[in-house]
Amino acid sequence: NAGVTQTPKFRILKIGQSMTLQCAQDMNHNYMYWYRQDPGMGLKLIYYSVGAGITDKGEVPNGYNVSRSTTEDFPLRLELAAPSQTSVYFCASSQLGDYEQYFGPGTRLTVT
Amino acid sequence: DAKTTQPPSMDCAEGRAANLPCNHSTISGNEYVYWYRQIHSQGPQYIIHGLKNNETNEMASLIITEDRKSSTLILPHATLRDTAVYYCIVRVEGNGNKLVFGAGTILRVKS
Repeated sequence: NAGVTQTPKFRILKIGQSMTLQCAQDMNHNYMYWYRQDPGMGLKLIYYSVGAGITDKGEVPNGYNVSRSTTEDFPLRLELAAPSQTSVYFCASSQLGDYEQYFGPGTRLTVT
Repeated sequence: DAKTTQPPSMDCAEGRAANLPCNHSTISGNEYVYWYRQIHSQGPQYIIHGLKNNETNEMASLIITEDRKSSTLILPHATLRDTAVYYCIVRVEGNGNKLVFGAGTILRVKS
């Protein structure tokens, strides 16, 4: 199993541009999550999903959108990128009733 | 979710036990204590979790006080590869199984 994969690894955006961060998992996990991590800080939850077609806001959802049309994929959409969205983005997944979340390698995004 | 308090950093000699404390004085009866770690630039990695009893796995041991207001993660024989940020998280099962990360403890293992 590849586990949780994220693309791209790095991206530089100009202010006002948009992009989609991709996340996929091959473990048939029901739950998927998006976090962001600013330098020197812990991770903050952006959005999460408990199954295909079901999404909910986390702690810092403003400026982001998500969709979950399949169990495997959970893309994160940034509209009108702002410098405040410069961060490292981590995707994670877990099985219903499982104790641990499995994290992807992250996407490092810079908005200038 | 209950908040946790951890020291910002700790040092440990290679080969010695690393004992990382966590205070969670407002924990509720149905909240679990989880530990994750994050090695530089990588995604966090699950270590261990517990509710009331002490727990041990191949990576670490978790000691939870009887009143559950604090816990200690023990890495029995720390190696240089254990240098990382360690996060203590208190979580309620259900509710999306969400994790709330604090700033964690930077553990530096030195030779």
